[in-house]
Amino acid sequence: EVVLVESGGGLVQPGGSLRLSCAASGFTFRRDWMHWVRQAPGKGLVWVSRISPDGTGTTYADSVKGRFTFSRDNTKNTLYLQMNSLKAEDTAVYYCAREHYDGSGSAIDYWGQGTLVTVSS
Amino acid sequence: QSALTQPASVSGSPGQSITISCAGTISDIGSYNLVSWFQQHPGKAPRLILYEGTKRPSGVSNRFSGSKSGYTASLTISGLQAEDEADYYCCSYAGSSTYVFGTGTTVTVV
Repeated sequence: EVVLVESGGGLVQPGGSLRLSCAASGFTFRRDWMHWVRQAPGKGLVWVSRISPDGTGTTYADSVKGRFTFSRDNTKNTLYLQMNSLKAEDTAVYYCAREHYDGSGSAIDYWGQGTLVTVSS
Repeated sequence: QSALTQPASVSGSPGQSITISCAGTISDIGSYNLVSWFQQHPGKAPRLILYEGTKRPSGVSNRFSGSKSGYTASLTISGLQAEDEADYYCCSYAGSSTYVFGTGTTVTVV
């Protein structure tokens, strides 16, 4: 069973930093692309970032580029999202999600339960 | 990276069919057959219901179907049931290893 568990959320002041983690299990972690997606309270889903299976390739939404860094440790089956220079508009539930190719197609198919980040003074 | 455009809300009676549109551009939906649809119940994580426009993951009801025309993708829910009441989001690959989600649609079963 694919399981993704996010942690590290909490309350942080504007301009501060936070590091989120996502522990993965139940699949061959090192083979899959992974994503972070966020959802502000009462709002829609917003794609944040994507990382390649080996961790060498990352892309970001314009809204977080230069402030967030997505990384992974394939020896620990864990993702990390380092968030710096946080703004109030970064307040959201952050989900990690798996992108999987099953031979017939590719999709973002499994999601964690999310971790809440609140940026406020 | 502008969000794909969905209607804010769609409603239907039990047993009816409803369709949710997802309007994009030539940079996303118009260039790739990589549209997914997600269902999200309140307080829950999103659940994949369609991928690559028309494919259903194992365990997803065949009452959910998808299509695409030009820059617009659509999700149709047939035989609407009370459990289908939820938020629905489309998502498309947008090139250069980036993705974009839709604005979301709240489905109400009246």
